[in-house]
Amino acid sequence: QKEVEQNSGPLSVPEGAIASLNCTYSDRVSQSFFWYRQYSGKSPELIMSIYSNGDKEDGRFTAQLNKASQYVSLLIRDSQPSDSATYLCAVNPGKEYGNKLVFGAGTILRVKS
Amino acid sequence: GAVVSQHPSWVICKSGTSVKIECRSLDFQATTMFWYRQFPKQSLMLMATSNEGSKATYEQGVEKDKFLINHASLTLSTLTVTSAHPEDSSFYICSASSTRGGNQPQHFGDGTRLSIL
Repeated sequence: QKEVEQNSGPLSVPEGAIASLNCTYSDRVSQSFFWYRQYSGKSPELIMSIYSNGDKEDGRFTAQLNKASQYVSLLIRDSQPSDSATYLCAVNPGKEYGNKLVFGAGTILRVKS
Repeated sequence: GAVVSQHPSWVICKSGTSVKIECRSLDFQATTMFWYRQFPKQSLMLMATSNEGSKATYEQGVEKDKFLINHASLTLSTLTVTSAHPEDSSFYICSASSTRGGNQPQHFGDGTRLSIL
């Protein structure tokens, strides 16, 4: 059973602060990792992909991957009220799993102005 | 880039009606498309994986005769909910991955909100 674990939250941060979202996964052979943002009533939107250990930055977002610890995180700097959403961590366990994504249940982020 | 179009965005129909939902990748070719269902305040649930030119692979518990999937080209997959009933009311979302490789992310359509009266 391939699992992706996230704290459901809600995680509340003040506007301008750094929001830190965490995710752990069970399948050691997983190679690709994604963060999606889902606003209430909308479909998920890809915000970050990461494939190798270390940090990957894109604007206010930084994804961090540690394969040894089976841990992936997302940092949002200068958080804005518009960042309030559910953030889904997704892991691709590989071709043997049909390239399906295993999603975490999501972390609700609330940015208070 | 990587735009996925889903149509219709909203359907309201009577019980017993069949409803077809289209999913198109507009600017890339997608060997594989995925169909999800999401109930309010719940996680995404994968229903089936759709491969171009072959039969869809359904997840456990999903009735293949109820949810017909066709993937006739590299840019189009359809989901038909046959003889829909109120319990089929949900948010249906498709996604597509590029043919470039297995590590590509899935890009989601905007979803179809289905309400069966």
